[in-house]
Amino acid sequence: EAGVVQSPRYKIIEKKQPVAFWCNPISGHNTLYWYLQNLGQGPELLIRYENEEAVDDSQLPKDRFSAERLKGVDSTLKIQPAELGDSAVYLCASRPLGGELFFGEGSRLTVL
Amino acid sequence: AQSVTQLDSQVPVFEEAPVELRCNYSSSVSVYLFWYVQYPNQGLQLLLKYLSGSTLVKGINGFEAEFNKSQTSFHLRKPSVHISDTAEYFCAVEGGSNYKLTFGKGTLLTVNP
Repeated sequence: EAGVVQSPRYKIIEKKQPVAFWCNPISGHNTLYWYLQNLGQGPELLIRYENEEAVDDSQLPKDRFSAERLKGVDSTLKIQPAELGDSAVYLCASRPLGGELFFGEGSRLTVL
Repeated sequence: AQSVTQLDSQVPVFEEAPVELRCNYSSSVSVYLFWYVQYPNQGLQLLLKYLSGSTLVKGINGFEAEFNKSQTSFHLRKPSVHISDTAEYFCAVEGGSNYKLTFGKGTLLTVNP
């Protein structure tokens, strides 16, 4: 069974540029999460989806971050414009109803 | 609100020694507890979880953890570590079934020969 797939794995951009990350969860997993992981820190929740509905986006900086999960499967996280402080790893995770969380390998963003 | 405190940011040990990684949590509701491991440049992998029942939970790679409700702790242990156990370990709490997982800041376990 394929795991959670994220792309790109690495992205280097200059500040003020836009960037987008894509996540394909495990088939059949209703719940999808985007987490932010700063260096030396634990993951922090950005947004959680139940199917196509964003049920918890209280930690998402909505002035520059946006996310979508069309058709309740794949998801995209966008940052526009990126700032230096956005350099981090962006983790996607999914879980089935009542099941455990599975993480992707993450997308590492470097903003210069 | 729920939170997790991992008391040690780094734990160096020698190979074949026992190790304990400490985790304390706070929550206003009953909790589910988890330990995840993260190897360099990889995502997080579930080691073990406590949902209910026996307070001693066994996971993969020889790790185990004990849920202590009175001390609000969920410490991770392994009786004999290997070089390959070198990684970052994260404790996480989920309040009841709210599907919101909160992570600690992590403990870097370094196993030396």
